[in-house]
Amino acid sequence: DQQVKQNSPSLSVQEGRISILNCDYTNSMFDYFLWYKKYPAEGPTFLISISSIKDKNEDGRFTVFLNKSAKHLSLHIVPSQPGDSAVYFCAASASGTYKYIFGTGTRLKVLA
Amino acid sequence: KAGVTQTPRYLIKTRGQQVTLSCSPISGHRSVSWYQQTPGQGLQFLFEYFSETQRNKGNFPGRFSGRQFSNSRSEMNVSTLELGDSALYLCASSLEFSYNEQFFGPGTRLTVL
Repeated sequence: DQQVKQNSPSLSVQEGRISILNCDYTNSMFDYFLWYKKYPAEGPTFLISISSIKDKNEDGRFTVFLNKSAKHLSLHIVPSQPGDSAVYFCAASASGTYKYIFGTGTRLKVLA
Repeated sequence: KAGVTQTPRYLIKTRGQQVTLSCSPISGHRSVSWYQQTPGQGLQFLFEYFSETQRNKGNFPGRFSGRQFSNSRSEMNVSTLELGDSALYLCASSLEFSYNEQFFGPGTRLTVL
């Protein structure tokens, strides 16, 4: 049972445009969410987080939106840069469980 | 501040052997989690430790075990290796688990022949 889903395995975007990566979850107990970027043969790099008491969090070019009623979160990257090309993972946790559930990732390719 | 370090970075073993991987968290971080990543899969949670106590364990066979020391360093052990254990093993640390970001190490690439 995949509780966190990233339904788009890949996404291509032109440099300078917006990249939108999506993530859906099924467990309504999840109350903290993370986004990571990962290059091959490296550990994931933390990008941005959001708690369930918020619906938006922004950090530079990265903004995460949370829609609790739809059990959906999205990561917006504006403007997209070639260096953003990587695999992006969302992760979710319910307080007291001490574990993050990760999605299977979306490979973003930013075209110069 | 130094990041999460994992040793060794690469490891080749044969079926039936056992292996121990090490993780040193960021200074001051007390929560350490382990994940397995295989091709085509996301990160699969193995276990989480805090103050030498395992607080949660993922859906893996008993061949996978771990521990945490008083300095927060952690080890994981896989006994009786199988071909399917070939993966990137990632360690992540955080100050405390809840409502905190996890910071990952570079991983240990284990190949089982």
